[in-house]
Amino acid sequence: GQSLEQPSEVTAVEGAIVQINCTYQTSGFYGLSWYQQHDGGAPTFLSYNALDGLEETGRFSSFLSRSDSYGYLLLQELQMKDSASYFCAVRDNYGQNFVFGPGTRLSVLP
Amino acid sequence: DAGVTQSPTHLIKTRGQHVTLRCSPISGHKSVSWYQQVLGQGPQFIFQYYEKEERGRGNFPDRFSARQFPNYSSELNVNALLLGDSALYLCASSFQTGGEEKLFFGSGTQLSVL
Repeated sequence: GQSLEQPSEVTAVEGAIVQINCTYQTSGFYGLSWYQQHDGGAPTFLSYNALDGLEETGRFSSFLSRSDSYGYLLLQELQMKDSASYFCAVRDNYGQNFVFGPGTRLSVLP
Repeated sequence: DAGVTQSPTHLIKTRGQHVTLRCSPISGHKSVSWYQQVLGQGPQFIFQYYEKEERGRGNFPDRFSARQFPNYSSELNVNALLLGDSALYLCASSFQTGGEEKLFFGSGTQLSVL
C-alpha cells in the first residue's frame, strides 16, 4: 500500500530552526511536495523535490533522498506566522493524484 | 487574478441526502482535482479531471462522482450521504494533467452530515 509518516506535533521558539521529517512508502514515485495549511485555510504549496538533494526557497528548504524514501522540510528563523500544519505529499504517478501524509502541527512560541 | 474558488463554503445535510459542490479553477488551468480532508488528517485524493475527462480516481465509493465543464469548472456530487462523509472538501487546480509539482487549492467546502 501507500503510506507516509510524519511527526504529529513539533514545538519551537521564534528564531529557531525546525526540521519536519517525512518517510514514504508508495508504489511509484514522481516527487515529494510540502504544503502549509493554517487553521481554516487552504493548503499552500511550499516546495517540490523530484531529485535527491536540497532545494532552498527563502527561509524554507526541502531535502529528498530517494534511496531512503525520506525527505524533510527545514524552516529557519521561525516566526509566529509559521504556526500551521505541514503536509508532505508524494505523487505516485504522472497524474495529479498526490498521496498526503497525516500532517505535522507546528507551534511557534514567543 | 482570482484563485481557486469553491462554493458553498459551508453546508449542512442529513443522512441519505445528496450534495453538489462546485469549483472554479484559476484562469488558464485545465486540470481540477478533488480531495477530502477529515479533521486532523491530510487531504485524500478523490478525482482528477482534465479537459472534461476523468484522469484519476481515488479509493472512494460510487456514491462519489464528478464532472468538468467546457469552462474547466467542476462539480463533485455525493449521493446517499453518510455521517462519515463529514469533512472539508478541497478543490485544486493546475495547468497540466501531469508533470507539474504544484497544486493550487481553494479554501474548501465544509460539509457536515447530521
